[in-house]
Amino acid sequence: GQSLEQPSEVTAVEGAIVQINCTYQTSGFYGLSWYQQHDGGAPTFLSYNALDGLEETGRFSSFLSRSDSYGYLLLQELQMKDSASYFCAVRGAAGNKLTFGGGTRVLVKP
Amino acid sequence: EAGVAQSPRYKIIEKRQSVAFWCNPISGHATLYWYQQILGQGPKLLIQFQNNGVVDDSQLPKDRFSAERLKGVDSTLKIQPAKLEDSAVYLCASSLSGQNSFEKLFFGSGTQLSVL
Repeated sequence: GQSLEQPSEVTAVEGAIVQINCTYQTSGFYGLSWYQQHDGGAPTFLSYNALDGLEETGRFSSFLSRSDSYGYLLLQELQMKDSASYFCAVRGAAGNKLTFGGGTRVLVKP
Repeated sequence: EAGVAQSPRYKIIEKRQSVAFWCNPISGHATLYWYQQILGQGPKLLIQFQNNGVVDDSQLPKDRFSAERLKGVDSTLKIQPAKLEDSAVYLCASSLSGQNSFEKLFFGSGTQLSVL
């Protein structure tokens, strides 16, 4: 099976940097994905790491270490609109199923 | 490009009643997913279709839940009879098939189900 662990909540001020960690256990591994979900909205894809290292997309970056079964999402120059829940997700070997973590709620304060 | 369409947006029913949700994926997306998201939790996969075949339904409570995708395009998820614990948002998603495509899901707005 697959399991993912991420912190439940993080609070930060505008302009700050937030790092959301994700550790996973899975039988077979293709990569680590990140999704953003605003309250009442649909999850939207942010990034995907298949290989070790850092991927940067604007203010958001995602990192993966396959040997440590660990990744993180880095949110820089936080804005109020970044207040949302962030989910890490892994695809295991069987059936291409994407399994989501419990989510980290990020609250950005003025 | 049109997104994933779902209806209804909200549904309130009493326990033991039945309910159905509809989803139309993005054109050309062969893979369709139904996820259940309970408040404060991550989405949980109920069933995954590849065209009109089931790829994974290991977490679908088959005694009460059923889903079909007869022509490999739109899909229906049904609950009969509903229980209180089925109160959740039901999310439909679609994706292209192939390496690196299964990680990028496009979600619909979901159906918020309340079972009273």
